[in-house]
Amino acid sequence: DGGITQSPKYLFRKEGQNVTLSCEQNLNHDAMYWYRQDPGQGLRLIYYSQIVNDFQKGDIAEGYSVSREKKESFPLTVTSAQKNPTAFYLCASSGYGSGGNQPQHFGDGTRLSIL
Amino acid sequence: AQSVTQLGSHVSVSEGALVLLRCNYSSSVPPYLFWYVQYPNQGLQLLLKYTSAATLVKGINGFEAEFKKSETSFHLTKPSAHMSDAAEYFCAVSDTGGNNRLAFGKGNQVVVIP
Repeated sequence: DGGITQSPKYLFRKEGQNVTLSCEQNLNHDAMYWYRQDPGQGLRLIYYSQIVNDFQKGDIAEGYSVSREKKESFPLTVTSAQKNPTAFYLCASSGYGSGGNQPQHFGDGTRLSIL
Repeated sequence: AQSVTQLGSHVSVSEGALVLLRCNYSSSVPPYLFWYVQYPNQGLQLLLKYTSAATLVKGINGFEAEFKKSETSFHLTKPSAHMSDAAEYFCAVSDTGGNNRLAFGKGNQVVVIP
């Protein structure tokens, strides 16, 4: 079955530590996205990538970094500069369609907490 | 930039009653619109999408939505609520810049009362 795999499901970060969230897709999608979800705030875009070796900042990129070395993979690093990292993180992918008519497909998320 | 408004963070509905979730969008051009559902500790699942074909769109689990350009709305309905419909629902509008970005509303948490 094709889909998006996020790991780990739960992650704990110590103060001053960087952590990396994994996202892998086997849908052969060109575009991939990272969102942060906080209660009552919907989904906010952190970074997105439309092709390999290229990515753009979303609305809340500060304190986060990404890479896109392979089409299938789009890892997100939460750096120590992100002062409030506790949230639910969702990865998504989509085919590249005309004018944005392609739906995004989501993984099951990673819940990050601070120790 | 495109945006979506969903009013009422929590919506309570009796089992068997109509489910109505409102979504209004702002867009300078005809948009593409989506409804997603999220169950606890899971990702989002696509319910249905409007991509400029029929204005009444049928989705999974008995849900449907109607695109009304004059009202800039894309409300989601289901004639008879089931206990399994308890979840959070998000409306999203596509960005028109050709980058496939979506702008999400803040969501509606639906509670189904037996």
